[in-house]
Amino acid sequence: DTAVSQTPKYLVTQMGNDKSIKCEQNLGHDTMYWYKQDSKKFLKIMFSYNNKELIINETVPNRFSPKSPDKAHLNLHINSLELGDSAVYFCASSSTGTGEEKLFFGSGTQLSVL
Amino acid sequence: GQNIDQPTEMTATEGAIVQINCTYQTSGFNGLFWYQQHAGEAPTFLSYNVLDGLEEKGRFSSFLSRSKGYSYLLLKELQMKDSASYLCAVYGGATNKLIFGTGTLLAVQP
Repeated sequence: DTAVSQTPKYLVTQMGNDKSIKCEQNLGHDTMYWYKQDSKKFLKIMFSYNNKELIINETVPNRFSPKSPDKAHLNLHINSLELGDSAVYFCASSSTGTGEEKLFFGSGTQLSVL
Repeated sequence: GQNIDQPTEMTATEGAIVQINCTYQTSGFNGLFWYQQHAGEAPTFLSYNVLDGLEEKGRFSSFLSRSKGYSYLLLKELQMKDSASYLCAVYGGATNKLIFGTGTLLAVQP
């Protein structure tokens, strides 16, 4: 009964390709996130959706397009992949308005662009 | 903007106590989190502080001083399995988001 699950766990692809990462949470949370963790282990927020609406969009190239079909799912599509996109991408979710916005993370997707 | 600083690496001995410091600057503050991340795994929640003072949870304690923009994570009776990265994260800012520091890689030695 994984709380936040993302697929695939590993993704190896060529430059220029388009790829998607999927995320689902069964915690009943209303907010979902995508974080990117680079080789220096710095975890940086990319996007946040609350009840399917985009509320945070950091300075991310528009090759990255998140989609939230419902509040339990947040997918990330990446067009024209570049070498610098290689990183671990973490999906996370939380419940807002609780006073403690604790994030629950998925297990991560390690993206390697060759 | 937000800025979070913590040491890059620390080394400690099994059975000892270690304190990992975190200083932050933020335009709005709604709480400070500590997460633990083992190599190749997802970050997992350790503690949350929103008021000044010490929060204790077993071997782990976290302290917050909002006036000083300062927090620390205290790990007692260190075990080898405590070797991991410890991430300080501040919740706040104009859009209420969780911003992480670069993490402190703790190595526990026998």
